[in-house]
Amino acid sequence: GQNIDQPTEMTATEGAIVQINCTYQTSGFNGLFWYQQHAGEAPTFLSYNVLDGLEEKGRFSSFLSRSKGYSYLLLKELQMKDSASYLCAVMDSNYQLIWGAGTKLIIKP
Amino acid sequence: SQTIHQWPATLVQPVGSPLSLECTVEGTSNPNLYWYRQAAGRGLQLLFYSVGIGQISSEVPQNLSASRPQDRQFILSSKKLLLSDSGFYLCAWSYKTGYEKLLFGSGTQLSVL
Repeated sequence: GQNIDQPTEMTATEGAIVQINCTYQTSGFNGLFWYQQHAGEAPTFLSYNVLDGLEEKGRFSSFLSRSKGYSYLLLKELQMKDSASYLCAVMDSNYQLIWGAGTKLIIKP
Repeated sequence: SQTIHQWPATLVQPVGSPLSLECTVEGTSNPNLYWYRQAAGRGLQLLFYSVGIGQISSEVPQNLSASRPQDRQFILSSKKLLLSDSGFYLCAWSYKTGYEKLLFGSGTQLSVL
């Protein structure tokens, strides 16, 4: 079956760096997405990786290794507003999105 | 620019009552449309998706149904709600090019009591 794994919860300190990992096993691969979801709100798009390597967008970066079925989201200079859940999703060979359960990130002052 | 509207934001319904959630997209034409449900602390579960007017694909057997009466309108319905229908319902859209990201509406928190 298809599976996306990410840690349930992580805690980090304001101003620090945190890496949220995502591993996947899917039927085919057409890209990996990261979304941010604040409590009670809809997910918002953060990044898309389809080729191996690192994509940087300001304080957020996303890395992909297709051979390892692995991605991570790197958040730098953490701010309190970064407290949210981070969802990893993989687009399979049928262009359907397979979603992870999300990682709840708690930022402490 | 493209926007997606979803309403209502919150809904409390008794068991056995009907349901109608509506979603509309503005600023684009012929989008792919999706209904997702998210249980508390869980991932997103795809309920329905549509590639065009009257074309609905169901991913999960349940007492919910969806309709797309107009190009940019997507409706989620139920004739009789169950307790297990409680959750956060999200409408989303994407372009048809295959690799496009989903853009979500603001969501409806449904509580069935």
